[in-house]
Amino acid sequence: DGGITQSPKYLFRKEGQNVTLSCEQNLNHDAMYWYRQDPGQGLRLIYYSQIVNDFQKGDIAEGYSVSREKKESFPLTVTSAQKNPTAFYLCARSLLAGSSYEQYFGPGTRLTVT
Amino acid sequence: QQQVKQSPQSLIVQKGGISIINCAYENTAFDYFPWYQQFPGKGPALLIAIRPDVSEKKEGRFTISFNKSAKQFSLHIMDSQPGDSATYFCAASNRNTPLVFGKGTRLSVIA
Repeated sequence: DGGITQSPKYLFRKEGQNVTLSCEQNLNHDAMYWYRQDPGQGLRLIYYSQIVNDFQKGDIAEGYSVSREKKESFPLTVTSAQKNPTAFYLCARSLLAGSSYEQYFGPGTRLTVT
Repeated sequence: QQQVKQSPQSLIVQKGGISIINCAYENTAFDYFPWYQQFPGKGPALLIAIRPDVSEKKEGRFTISFNKSAKQFSLHIMDSQPGDSATYFCAASNRNTPLVFGKGTRLSVIA
């Protein structure tokens, strides 16, 4: 699974509740990313972080928040402000060393909000 | 300028045939062009990637062709097999820009 652990695989929440998705990597890679995938929409970047304690918004950051307190962990919180949170969420990692910046994805978490 | 446009949306190929998926980009600062393969319910897996200093890269049955002047690149799957049936994404980036993805092509290889 690309050296990334995402848990849980399936997550169910009621509308109005915040929910946090876990992403852990054990390869000491610098950068971590969160993407959202909807049918026919490809992968859209939510947030990314290239160093600890720093992160940048992606294309669709509204309604989401992240933290990067440790290099190996990059949790994503889907807040009640996210209008359409049901989706497949993918975390990725990248080494960012020299000319190497390939991204490798985890297995994903499917979030369903009703 | 950050878009990557991918076509076709879906593709049906006979077993043993050649599958061809095309992508076009706008940002000339991109210098890394990967292709990902995704099976249902799984995360995308890096399949093959190319940098603009070469026009073609081959790994087994998978080949990327790259046309820098046209800002286009394509994935060719030779001798397509039913096990290749998946969704394929092209992407582009550089060291300072996270990957920008195309919208994907759903490939079905039929016997």
